[in-house]
Order: sequence, then structure tokens, then C-alpha cells
Amino acid sequence: DAGITQSPRHKVTETGTPVTLRCHQTENHRYMYWYRQDPGHGLRLIHYSYGVKDTDKGEVSDGYSVSRSKTEDFLLTLESATSSQTSVYFCAISEEETQYFGPGTRLLVL
Amino acid sequence: QKEVEQNSGPLSVPEGAIASLNCTYSDRGSQSFFWYRQYSGKSPELIMFIYSNGDKEDGRFTAQLNKASQYVSLLIRDSQPSDSATYLCAVIPPGGATNKLIFGTGTLLAVQP
Repeated sequence: DAGITQSPRHKVTETGTPVTLRCHQTENHRYMYWYRQDPGHGLRLIHYSYGVKDTDKGEVSDGYSVSRSKTEDFLLTLESATSSQTSVYFCAISEEETQYFGPGTRLLVL
Repeated sequence: QKEVEQNSGPLSVPEGAIASLNCTYSDRGSQSFFWYRQYSGKSPELIMFIYSNGDKEDGRFTAQLNKASQYVSLLIRDSQPSDSATYLCAVIPPGGATNKLIFGTGTLLAVQP
């Protein structure tokens, strides 16, 4: 257990509404990541952070933004949710080269 | 060509047999390789990592790396029904200072009692 929590764990929302997912870690890791997981695509990196206020884009960043104002929190925001963003979202931290994952958030956009 | 490829399966093996899971990667300069297990509805959990050519053993699990052929495999000895899960291969590509992982789509393993 790498001390990672995600909230909410489940969310249903409507197209066009903003959504923020939170990832919280308790062990002061520098690197944090947001992934989405979809059938047939596996885990794909959305955004990552390498320190407070230091973030960068991943493979599938369109439609998503992130913020990291404190070491322990990494927020993922869908500014205007679309049905294509229905997915399972995982947060991860990196300890040396190894990544450990949070429990995930299931998001359904209607 | 996908950067990390795995056969989606399902790979079905009888209880007690050896399960062999394979993964190929496209970027020859990749240095670090990981195997994760993911139960249905759960998050990925790390099984093993390997950096050097050859075998690395941990209990019933053995990771094998062949950089010349660009493949990495995971052997599970004495397979148990509790090993039934999706196994994800992941690679850190060259220049991976931020430890970004590229994942395969996973292989579903079904161990038959």
C-alpha cells in the first residue's frame, strides 16, 4: 500500500458538466500520474507531475487539465465532460522507477 | 506498431501448470520492464521488475528479459486459480527521466481448477 487514495470512487455525471477527481498521497512522493483505462486500449497516461506546480502532458491529454498545489494532492479536471471520457481513472505515484496505483475512480458520463 | 504488445488471451492453463506470458516492445533503447497483475475491478499491482538480460525469480514468478529480441516474459509456476487475472507488461522508454510507463493492453490468464 503506497498510501494513495482517490475520490470519488464512483461518479455519474452529465455531458458538459465539469468534473474534478482527486488523488491524495501520504508519503511525499515527487512524481504523480493520471491514467485512464479502457477496454482494448489498456492504461494510457493523461498527465503527470514532477513536483508542486510542475506538470506535463501525457499521451491522451486533450480535454483534461491537472493541478498540483501541494505535494500530496494531484487533481484531474474534465472541464466539460464528454461521453468519450467515460472510463476508469487511476492515479499513481512513482517510487524510484516503480509506479504504484491508487484504487481508481469509475466515471460515467451520460 | 504498438510500443508494447501483448496477446490479449485468454490464456487458459490447468491448476499446477506453468503459465507463460509474453510481451514485446518496439523501442530498442528501453531499459526498465515491469509486470503488473490486475484483478477484475481492481487496480494494477506490481509483481516484478527487471532491468538486465536474463532471468529474475521471485517465489513462483520468473521474469525473463531478452533485449536483443526485444521481449520480456513472465512465468508463473504451479499456477493457482487465484492467479487468474489480467497481466500487464509495462516499459520505461529511453529518456525516461520522469519514469513514464508505456503499458501493453494486458493478457487475461485463466487458471482452471
